[in-house]
Amino acid sequence: EIVLTQSPGTLSLSPGERATLSCRASQSVSSSYLAWYQQKPGQAPRLLIYGASSRATGIPDRFSGSGSGTDFTLTISRLEPEDFAVYYCQQYGSSPPTWTFGQGTKVEIK
Amino acid sequence: QVQLVESGGGLVKPGGSLRLSCAASGFTFSDYYMSWIRQAPGKGLEWVSYISSSGSTIYYADSVKGRFTISRDNAKNSLYLQMNSLRAEDTAVYYCASSAAGSLNYFDYWGQGTLVTVSS
Repeated sequence: EIVLTQSPGTLSLSPGERATLSCRASQSVSSSYLAWYQQKPGQAPRLLIYGASSRATGIPDRFSGSGSGTDFTLTISRLEPEDFAVYYCQQYGSSPPTWTFGQGTKVEIK
Repeated sequence: QVQLVESGGGLVKPGGSLRLSCAASGFTFSDYYMSWIRQAPGKGLEWVSYISSSGSTIYYADSVKGRFTISRDNAKNSLYLQMNSLRAEDTAVYYCASSAAGSLNYFDYWGQGTLVTVSS
């Protein structure tokens, strides 16, 4: 079973700053099968990025994803007030089919 | 617009049963794969179960296998999760989530969730 480890656990930044979130897999993951979600308190997660680097519908271009193999990154180029939230990476494994999430990175206002 | 609305959560004693429902609207439900994903209080996300668009293919996480049953009724645009032999560790907000045809590897829309509390 592939384990996803996100770092840091908490990122303290100011609006306008750049956020770089890491997601490391215990085994190689197909880029096609890596996604990122944003979750605000009391809300459901929202899909941000799929296929490691493709933005979901309606997601601003300040959000970008990159990476391959075991190392993936979500970058928020300039933090807006509404971007302070918890972010999860997720991978799909096909044998057997399972969907695994990282433990999350909280982006908080400094 | 796409809407997923869960219901059926509540307080149940250990060993008890509960049936969750998810009503879908705003998209062609029968074209989409569906899943249940849960989140224990203050914790991360855990995938629970998946069902294909026709209902012919089903998968479960090991943590719920043999206790939970996923099903769907495409005529009613509804997804279900029958939960039996509930344990304290099943306490969580349960979300239903959709995956577009050909994109079962990620979840594009989520409901707002329903809270299940297992406690005596």
